[in-house]
Amino acid sequence: GQQVMQIPQYQHVQEGEDFTTYCNSSTTLSNIQWYKQRPGGHPVFLIQLVKSGEVKKQKRLTFQFGEAKKNSSLHITATQTTDVGTYFCADGHSGTYKYIFGTGTRLKVLA
Amino acid sequence: EPEVTQTPSHQVTQMGQEVILRCVPISNHLYFYWYRQILGQKVEFLVSFYNNEISEKSEIFDDQFSVERPDGSNFTLKIRSTKLEDSAMYFCASSVGTGNEAFFGQGTRLTVV
Repeated sequence: GQQVMQIPQYQHVQEGEDFTTYCNSSTTLSNIQWYKQRPGGHPVFLIQLVKSGEVKKQKRLTFQFGEAKKNSSLHITATQTTDVGTYFCADGHSGTYKYIFGTGTRLKVLA
Repeated sequence: EPEVTQTPSHQVTQMGQEVILRCVPISNHLYFYWYRQILGQKVEFLVSFYNNEISEKSEIFDDQFSVERPDGSNFTLKIRSTKLEDSAMYFCASSVGTGNEAFFGQGTRLTVV
C-alpha cells in the first residue's frame, strides 16, 4: 500500500536556526496536508497544497509541493521555542475516505 | 471555534474487557474518522464513517473493533476484547468533505493492563 515517509525523524536546533522536514510518497498525491502535534497534544491542521509546484507561506513557515506531486517540504525560518512538536504531512486524497499520515518529524528547539 | 470533543480523556481497562470511546464531531461535518497513535509513533488510520456506514477501514480495524453513530451527535469506537497492544492514544476526527481539513479531538489515552 501507499507509504508516506518523512525525514529526518528527529531534529534538534538552536533557537533562531532554520528547520526543514521532507515528505515523500510512494504514489502521486492529489493534495498534501501538513499538521502539527504539540507534545501531549493532537494533530492540528496547518495547510493544504493542491497544485504541482505550489508554494505557500504562513509567517515563518514555507510549504512546497513538488512538481511531480510525490513530495513536499516544510521549512521554518528562525525557529522559536513555540515551534516545538511533531510535524506530519498527510495525503488528503480526495475521493477516498482517509488521510494517510507520514512518519513525522519531531522538532526540538533549544533556547 | 467549533471543536471535536472526546471522552474519556484517559481509560484504563483490564485485558479482555470491552471499552467504548466516545466522540462528538463538529456539527456540520459529514465524515468521521478514528485514528490511533502508539506513543511516539505515527498517526494510523483505523476507520472512516459517512452516511451512517463505514466508508473505509484499515487492516488494524479487525472484528474486535466496531463504530457506531447512535444518535445525531455521538460517534463511538468499541473495542470488544482489549489486548495489551491496543494501548495507544485514540483520536477522533471529522471533516466537511473528503480531502478537506480534518479536525482532531484531544484524544483518549487507552491503557490496557
